[in-house]
Amino acid sequence: EAQVTQNPRYLITVTGKKLTVTCSQNMNHEYMSWYRQDPGLGLRQIYYSMNVEVTDKGDVPEGYKVSRKEKRNFPLILESPSPNQTSLYFCASSFSGWAHGYTFGSGTRLTVV
Amino acid sequence: TQLLEQSPQFLSIQEGENLTVYCNSSSVFSSLQWYRQEPGEGPVLLVTVVTGGEVKKLKRLTFQFGDARKDSSLHITAAQPGDTGLYLCAGAQPGNQFYFGTGTSLTVIP
Repeated sequence: EAQVTQNPRYLITVTGKKLTVTCSQNMNHEYMSWYRQDPGLGLRQIYYSMNVEVTDKGDVPEGYKVSRKEKRNFPLILESPSPNQTSLYFCASSFSGWAHGYTFGSGTRLTVV
Repeated sequence: TQLLEQSPQFLSIQEGENLTVYCNSSSVFSSLQWYRQEPGEGPVLLVTVVTGGEVKKLKRLTFQFGDARKDSSLHITAAQPGDTGLYLCAGAQPGNQFYFGTGTSLTVIP
């Protein structure tokens, strides 16, 4: 089944403790992206990648890092999480991005206390 | 600043009624997409439109991209309870940056 897999689904952590949210896709998509979704603010793009070793900042990149060492994986790293990063996070992939639309993962609900 | 404005924000209608959701911007987009999202799940792509003036139909859903590629609409005919959800539009700009609207929450009452 074609899908984007995120892990974990739920995560509660403490301020400052580094964490990684994993994302993997099995569709051989070149384009991958991370979003956060907050009430009243909608989905905002954090980082995106158009191919292996190519990443770019989205709208809200501060406090986040990403890497794209292989085509299928695009982990999101929070080096020093803060409470304002409490949010619902989605990973998404696409064959080309603008012309084909995204396949989204099921989301990771992160709480930073 | 929200690049894409959706209206209405909330919509509650009776089963069988028709409705239209709007997605407007002052910016031009390479493409525009519509998604539906269920609570606690990721958005699911409904359609991508890329040509100004383009109209696409998906069963009872009709999508239109504005001639100037700045706006779009989603029309649902004879809404059913299964149409309930959050409808999101998303616009792509050069460089593959995507911008999502804040969504329209639709409730269809049986």
